[in-house]
Amino acid sequence: AQSVTQLDSQVPVFEEAPVELRCNYSSSVSVYLFWYVQYPNQGLQLLLKYLSGSTLVESINGFEAEFNKSQTSFHLRKPSVHISDTAEYFCAVSDPGSSNTGKLIFGQGTTLQVKP
Amino acid sequence: GAVVSQHPSWVICKSGTSVKIECRSLDFQATTMFWYRQFPKQSLMLMATSNEGSKATYEQGVEKDKFLINHASLTLSTLTVTSAHPEDSSFYICSASGGGPKAGTQYFGPGTRLTVL
Repeated sequence: AQSVTQLDSQVPVFEEAPVELRCNYSSSVSVYLFWYVQYPNQGLQLLLKYLSGSTLVESINGFEAEFNKSQTSFHLRKPSVHISDTAEYFCAVSDPGSSNTGKLIFGQGTTLQVKP
Repeated sequence: GAVVSQHPSWVICKSGTSVKIECRSLDFQATTMFWYRQFPKQSLMLMATSNEGSKATYEQGVEKDKFLINHASLTLSTLTVTSAHPEDSSFYICSASGGGPKAGTQYFGPGTRLTVL
């Protein structure tokens, strides 16, 4: 069975500082990996995803994540955060080869708190 | 893009009544839709998966007679909470995935806040 662990429940950081949100997964098969962001009282927005190809994926707002198969990790990074990045971040994994039609397994979420 | 809408965004109802929530994919055909429930400060809990024209597949512990799911078209799925009770109060979120460029990725709606009095 697959599982996702987000190691930090809360990450406080000052504005313009770098940040890393950690995500590890367990799976015996190849996976698709996702990061979603949720602002208060809203649904989830896709931040970035790894399906295949280059292991480094980037979003349009400066986030990036690197798929590391040997360490089974997909950590999210940003070199300089803004106040507007304050939100809940979810890491998720799916098994592209399963019969579960893309069912996602979510991590517990990490609250990024950007302070001025 | 991939836009998914939900209606209503919030609803308050009396205990014992039924509430219907709609989920629509606005710019792509959603072959599969998912319904989640989220409690405050927690992650999403998958309730059921529905494929267009088929019966929904419910996760263990989710009462299919209480949470009725219909996926009648490639752009619309509905979740009806029947005989709602205060413990059903929650944030309900749908997602949709399709074929082609949208394959392999779920796109989420904005969520519906249900409060049962």
